[in-house]
Amino acid sequence: GQSLEQPSEVTAVEGAIVQINCTYQTSGFYGLSWYQQHDGGAPTFLSYNALDGLEETGRFSSFLSRSDSYGYLLLQELQMKDSASYFCAVTDRDDKIIFGKGTRLHILP
Amino acid sequence: ETGVTQTPRHLVMGMTNKKSLKCEQHLGHNAMYWYKQSAKKPLELMFVYSLEERVENNSVPSRFSPECPNSSHLFLHLHTLQPEDSALYLCASSQALGGRGEQYFGPGTRLTVT
Repeated sequence: GQSLEQPSEVTAVEGAIVQINCTYQTSGFYGLSWYQQHDGGAPTFLSYNALDGLEETGRFSSFLSRSDSYGYLLLQELQMKDSASYFCAVTDRDDKIIFGKGTRLHILP
Repeated sequence: ETGVTQTPRHLVMGMTNKKSLKCEQHLGHNAMYWYKQSAKKPLELMFVYSLEERVENNSVPSRFSPECPNSSHLFLHLHTLQPEDSALYLCASSQALGGRGEQYFGPGTRLTVT
């Protein structure tokens, strides 16, 4: 079967750094994406990794290790507005995108 | 604004009603998707259209019927729904199937079945 595992909740302090991990088992793999969803809002695309390594976009970075079927999203200089749910998603060999259950990020002042 | 709009934003319907959800994308994308999002569950892919042809139907009950009249519009026709169908229904689009993992989502329709 196909599965993505990520923690259900993570708590961090404003100004700190937090890492949200994602492991996956899918039938074929093209890439790993990350999405952010605020309460009552729609998921918004953050990043996509097709190759191993770290991709940086401002305060957010995303990492992929294809050999380990593992990736993470790194959020630096946390702000209260970063409180949201974060989903990892795999694009499989049929170009279908499969989402994880999401990680709820709580940020403390 | 993501360039994907959905109407209505909220819908309450009885189990014997028939209603339709509408999605429109203004991005020139070629692929469109319907997802169901329930509490404590991952986003569930329901239907995928590429160039107006259905390419995916994830064992969705027949009480959900999609329609894609052109590459900019997508509908989800609903009839004789069950209370467990209450959820947030999200429409998304991407440049092409897969789209390098990048999809643009609409705001969703919050559906309540009574």
